This record gives sequence, C-alpha cells and structure tokens, in this order.
Amino acid sequence: QKEVEQNSGPLSVPEGAIASLNCTYSDRGSQSFFWYRQYSGKSPELIMFIYSNGDKEDGRFTAQLNKASQYVSLLIRDSQPSDSATYLCAVYYNQGGKLIFGQGTELSVKP
Amino acid sequence: DAMVIQNPRYQVTQFGKPVTLSCSQTLNHNVMYWYQQKSSQAPKLLFHYYDKDFNNEADTPDNFQSRRPNTSFCFLDIRSPGLGDAAMYLCATSSAGSMDLIRFGPGTRLTVT
Repeated sequence: QKEVEQNSGPLSVPEGAIASLNCTYSDRGSQSFFWYRQYSGKSPELIMFIYSNGDKEDGRFTAQLNKASQYVSLLIRDSQPSDSATYLCAVYYNQGGKLIFGQGTELSVKP
Repeated sequence: DAMVIQNPRYQVTQFGKPVTLSCSQTLNHNVMYWYQQKSSQAPKLLFHYYDKDFNNEADTPDNFQSRRPNTSFCFLDIRSPGLGDAAMYLCATSSAGSMDLIRFGPGTRLTVT
C-alpha cells in the first residue's frame, strides 16, 4: 500500500513566523515530491517540487527532502494571513505513473 | 492561455440518476487524471489515461467509468450516483515524465439529492 502521511492540523502560527509542514511516504522507490496549496473550495495549486535530497528554496518557501528517512517538509518563512490554506504533500510513483496525495495539513496564520 | 477546463463547475443530480462530468485541456498533455476529493480529505485518484491507455485504480467503484475520445477531452461517468459520491471531482493533466507540469482544473462540485 503506497501511502503519504501528513499531520492534519490545524497548524496555527502568528504572522511573520516560520510554518513547518511535514510529510512521510512509504515507498522508497518514489522519485518526485510535490507540495500543493489548496484554498477552500478551490483546486490544488503547485507550490514546490523536489527530486533530490537536500533543500530547495523558492522565495519564502523551502522544500526539504530526506530519502533515507522517507521524509519531505515545507517551510514557509515570514508567514502571511494569505498563506492560510490546506497544504497537500504529493508523491509521484513512477510505477503506474500516479500522483498520490496526503490528507493535507490545514495552516492558519494569525495577524 | 493554455488551461484545463471542467464543466459544469457545479452539478446537482438525483440519487441513481446517471451523470457525466467533462474535462478539456489546451495544453496538449498526454496524461489525464480524475481525482475525487471529499470534504477535509486528500484527493483520491480514480483513474488516469496515459495517451489512450486507461489505468483504473483497484479500489475505484465499478459505478465510475471514464472515456477519453481524443487528447483534449476526458469524461467521468457516474452510472448510479449514491449519496456517498457527493464530492469535488478534479481533473488534472500532465506531460509524461514532467510531473512538475501537472495542472489541475477548477473542479466540479457534485451534489447528490
């Protein structure tokens, strides 16, 4: 059973703080990892993707991947109220060509 | 702009009455996906097409069928909707080997009365 696990939250952080979102996955053969943001009633929107171990930075967002620990995270620096949304971790399984989602973590950034 | 379009955005159907949701894309992507997302849950993959090759998830109910008549269009047919099928249905497309290019449509919210 291929699984992607996230803490459902809600995670609440004050404006300007760092929000840390975590995800674990079960299949060591996974190659590609994605973070999506989803506002209520809207479809997922891609924020970051990462393929290699280590960190990848894009503006206020940093994705971190540790394949040995089967762990991927997303850091949001200088969190803003507009960052309040559900963040979905997704893992692409080459076998079968599937993108599988975790259940999402609800983030609330308080002004 | 190249995009993924889903119609209708909101669909109300009666219990047991067949319904069809549509998805079209102008991205010329060869892979198309259908996901079901219930409230506060992860999007759940129902099936996907790799070109014309259809891939059904093992736990997708037989009640759900799909058609892809050409590269641009894909349909989701629910033969006898039950109350438990009320959800957001998301269509997504990608170019094989470039998962960072996956794009989601706006979704169709299905209500079953």
